[in-house]
This record gives sequence, structure tokens and C-alpha cells, in this order.
Amino acid sequence: DTAVSQTPKYLVTQMGNDKSIKCEQNLGHDTMYWYKQDSKKFLKIMFSYNNKELIINETVPNRFSPKSPDKAHLNLHINSLELGDSAVYFCASSPWLGTGELFFGEGSRLTVL
Amino acid sequence: GENVEQHPSTLSVQEGDSAVIKCTYSDSASNYFPWYKQELGKRPQLIIDIRSNVGEKKDQRIAVTLNKTAKHFSLHITETQPEDSAVYFCAASLIQGAQKLVFGQGTRLTINP
Repeated sequence: DTAVSQTPKYLVTQMGNDKSIKCEQNLGHDTMYWYKQDSKKFLKIMFSYNNKELIINETVPNRFSPKSPDKAHLNLHINSLELGDSAVYFCASSPWLGTGELFFGEGSRLTVL
Repeated sequence: GENVEQHPSTLSVQEGDSAVIKCTYSDSASNYFPWYKQELGKRPQLIIDIRSNVGEKKDQRIAVTLNKTAKHFSLHITETQPEDSAVYFCAASLIQGAQKLVFGQGTRLTINP
């Protein structure tokens, strides 16, 4: 009964490939996010969706395309992977816009070779 | 946009001593300041937060102070224990509409037995 779950947990792939990470939350929250944590542990927001609507797009290359089929799911597709995309990607959710606490998933570690 | 600076980047204290981590923020409109703890290989989890209408908040061994005039806030952990060892992140945002939580760079806290 994990609250925010991500798959896969680990992903190793070659440069130029396309990959997807899936996220699901069973908390009934309206708002979901993608954060990127780089090798120096810096956490930076990428996207935010509220009830399937894109709210925040934080100057992320358009190789990254989020999709929210419903408010419980937020997926991240990455095209033409580059070495610099290697990071841990965290999905998170919050009850609704402006509520404060983020509930993070366990993270998906992406390694691009 | 908001920018959050966090210091120190690493902190080592003896078990039982206190630890203090400091953050400054740039956007005077920010009104929500959470602290997250991330244990090795785990997800970030909220440990305490404060809103701009209060100056201090305590929860057992953890306290956060906020100085709105100076735009800085601090995390205080008293009677530290080995399980307090983790990376701690401060963050700031405006709780209104699309919440864009901006994180500090993180502090790796080590508690020495």
C-alpha cells in the first residue's frame, strides 16, 4: 500500500535511447510533481500537474515530456537520452495546489552510458 | 525567481550535541519553509515546516526559526542521535496557486557516536 510508487527503480540505458518512468499515487491527491536530483544531491522541480493540467514547466528541455492520464498518474518520457540526464528522478504529490507537504516516491535512478 | 542558499554543506557533531543548519532565501513573497530529511538511498521526507506568520516551531527535538526581515530560517536538532544522520534540505515557496518548492543544496549531517 505504497502511497507514491514509481517504476522502474533503476534504469540503465545508452545515449540516444528513449525511456519512460511511471508514477502512481493512491493518496487521492490532486497535484503531482517530477523532481530531478543530480549527483550533488540538488533537488530541482521539473514539472507540476494539477488534476491532469500542466501547472509548472520549469525550463526543461523538450526531450522531456510528462503525461498525466488521470490525477493519480504522472509519467515522464525522455527522448534522445544524454549523459547529463543521469540522475534520480522523484515523483511527488500533494493534496492540492498550495498545500505544502510533498509526498515523494522512492525515486528512479537513471544511468545513461 | 526564488533562490535558496543552505549552509553548511556538511556537518559532523558528537552524539548528544546540537546541530544547526541555516538557510537564506531571496524572494520576500515566500511564505512557506519546510525541511526535508533524506536518508541514504531513500526518499526525502518532511520533518517540520513553518509558515511566515510564526517565528518558531518545535516538534520534540527539532525546531525551526524564521526571520522574515533577514530572509533566513534555521533548523535546530537537539540531543542528536545516530539515526539523525542524513541529508537535510531546506526549501521555500509561496503557498498560493502553483506551489514551486525551491530547495537548498542540502546538508549532510553525520552524528558521531
